[in-house]
Amino acid sequence: GENVEQHPSTLSVQEGDSAVIKCTYSDSASNYFPWYKQELGKRPQLIIDIRSNVGEKKDQRIAVTLNKTAKHFSLHITETQPEDSAVYFCAATLNRDDKIIFGKGTRLHILP
Amino acid sequence: KAGVTQTPRYLIKTRGQQVTLSCSPISGHRSVSWYQQTPGQGLQFLFEYFSETQRNKGNFPGRFSGRQFSNSRSEMNVSTLELGDSALYLCASSKTGTGGGEQFFGPGTRLTVL
Repeated sequence: GENVEQHPSTLSVQEGDSAVIKCTYSDSASNYFPWYKQELGKRPQLIIDIRSNVGEKKDQRIAVTLNKTAKHFSLHITETQPEDSAVYFCAATLNRDDKIIFGKGTRLHILP
Repeated sequence: KAGVTQTPRYLIKTRGQQVTLSCSPISGHRSVSWYQQTPGQGLQFLFEYFSETQRNKGNFPGRFSGRQFSNSRSEMNVSTLELGDSALYLCASSKTGTGGGEQFFGPGTRLTVL
């Protein structure tokens, strides 16, 4: 069945450094890949998403890259700040009415 | 615009009981999805409803069921509760569905099964 694997499960970076979280998916027909951020005790919120017809998308300090051939996509956060500390979830879905599969999450710690 | 709301926020039940959770989506959103969140498994998709019809479902047993009403509000029911059902249950609403764009999550219902 469909599967999304996310690595690492925990990531600690110094404030100001970059963080990279990677995900791989199993269904080559998947075409929508959102990333959600969940701060402690709060609900997940979409931070960026990418569709399969695009290789890269950037929004200020956050970028996502997609490699369809290798079936993996990555989240890049540059110039990390304390407020970036959270759990990040990647996901993949096939169509607008298909079930969505989430990765198990990456807990990002920004060290002072 | 009001956000997604869920009731109740906390529930404590015992094994064998059943429970019903409620989700009110953002006005105008026709899709409501449900998720189970646990520390070890992350976010797991339960099912999605769109215009009162279940469009797809995840890999959960039949004890987990749901429905959606004409005003897009949705309920999720879990029967014959097991200890392993203890989790945070999140619902999310969107205009078009899980693959169409941003989903807006509710605050969740924390279910504890004793």
